[in-house]
Order: sequence, then C-alpha cells, then structure tokens
Amino acid sequence: AAGVIQSPRHLIKEKRETATLKCYPIPRHDTVYWYQQGPGQDPQFLISFYEKMQSDKGSIPDRFSAQQFSDYHSELNMSSLELGDSALYFCASSLGGGGNGMSDEQFFGPGTRLTVL
Amino acid sequence: GESVGLHLPTLSVQEGDNSIINCAYSNSASDYFIWYKQESGKGPQFIIDIRSNMDKRQGQRVTVLLNKTVKHLSLQIAATQPGDSAVYFCAVPAYNFNKFYFGSGTKLNVKP
Repeated sequence: AAGVIQSPRHLIKEKRETATLKCYPIPRHDTVYWYQQGPGQDPQFLISFYEKMQSDKGSIPDRFSAQQFSDYHSELNMSSLELGDSALYFCASSLGGGGNGMSDEQFFGPGTRLTVL
Repeated sequence: GESVGLHLPTLSVQEGDNSIINCAYSNSASDYFIWYKQESGKGPQFIIDIRSNMDKRQGQRVTVLLNKTVKHLSLQIAATQPGDSAVYFCAVPAYNFNKFYFGSGTKLNVKP
C-alpha cells in the first residue's frame, strides 16, 4: 500500500540558508500534519492543513511557512536556518482530520533529517 | 493545550516478559488516545488507539488500558520480542483533530 512520501530524506544546510521539505500524503488523504522531532525528544506539532487550508498552527517559527497544494502535497519552507533547526521533520496524513472533528488514523512518513551546520 | 507525559524514559525487559509503558495526560476532556511505536530512523507507527468510552482495548499482543479517573493510560505488550525494541509514544489529538500532542517517549529495550 502507498505510504506517505517525504523528500529529501536527508538535507544538510548552512546557517542562514533556506530549505524546502516536501510531503506527499497517502492518496485520497486530505489532511497533512508537520512535526519536528529533536534528538531524544517527542514530536512537536508545527502546522496542519485540511483541504488545502491551514487548520492549526503549533510551535512553528515565523521563519517557517508551509502550504498544501491542489494535489494535496505539502511543502515546509524554512528560511534563515539556525543550528537549532537541526531535527527530524515528519509529515503525517489522514483522511478527514480537522474538518469535522473526526479523523482516521494518522500515517507518518519516514521523515527528513535536516542538519544545519 | 494538552500535556502528555510518560513516567519512565527507558524500560528494559527480558525477551518473553510482558512490558508495561505508562502515560499521563492533563486534559480530562480528552476522549481519544493513541500509542505509537518509533523505530530508529523511522517515523512513528500506529499501534493501537482507544476512545474514552472504553477502559480497555486489545490488539495483537498489545493492550491499552485507560483510567479516566486518574487520567492515565498504559500500553501492555505481551511476550515482548526483540522486534518490539523502539521508542513508544502516547498521543492525544486536539478536540478538532487539527493537531496531536505527543508525550515524551519511553525507550523499550528487549534483552535476548
């Protein structure tokens, strides 16, 4: 079965550079969530989208922005990268999340490991 | 918001023994709870969920117990196997499922 696809899987950037992370949800899934997971930490919610509209926002820096496109894939844009941005970034998708308060299981992608030097 | 926490950061068990991982939550209105397993270098994987109208739910070798009175849930893994070695998280969605709150993970080490 198709799973959530994230690209790239690994990314190395210098401080103050920009990065774009991509997420392709499971086909027919309309909801995308982004999480940041630092070393040894739990995933922290960044932002979510339902039907191409932002549905909620968590502890996402102003330097970050995201959007969900017409084909439901999502991109997380990160600018002015800092050393502290080094983390695993996970995307998850579900069907029906946020719109009606009911959500099927949330499926996670394999993550993008971002290293900022 | 929701605060979700786990009681122990690391749990070591012998292969074949039963494992119990605990989680506490703060919002008494929370009505849906999920356990995830995260292997090294991978994304969290759904294990089992439970709604607040239940106090127990069983899956294959896993059981989740929910105690709403003390706002506590636990994940029990029967006959723990080396493949169960991973970090386990409990998670609670916001009321509108727009986001999920994760607790601090418990690392399960299974000794052969």
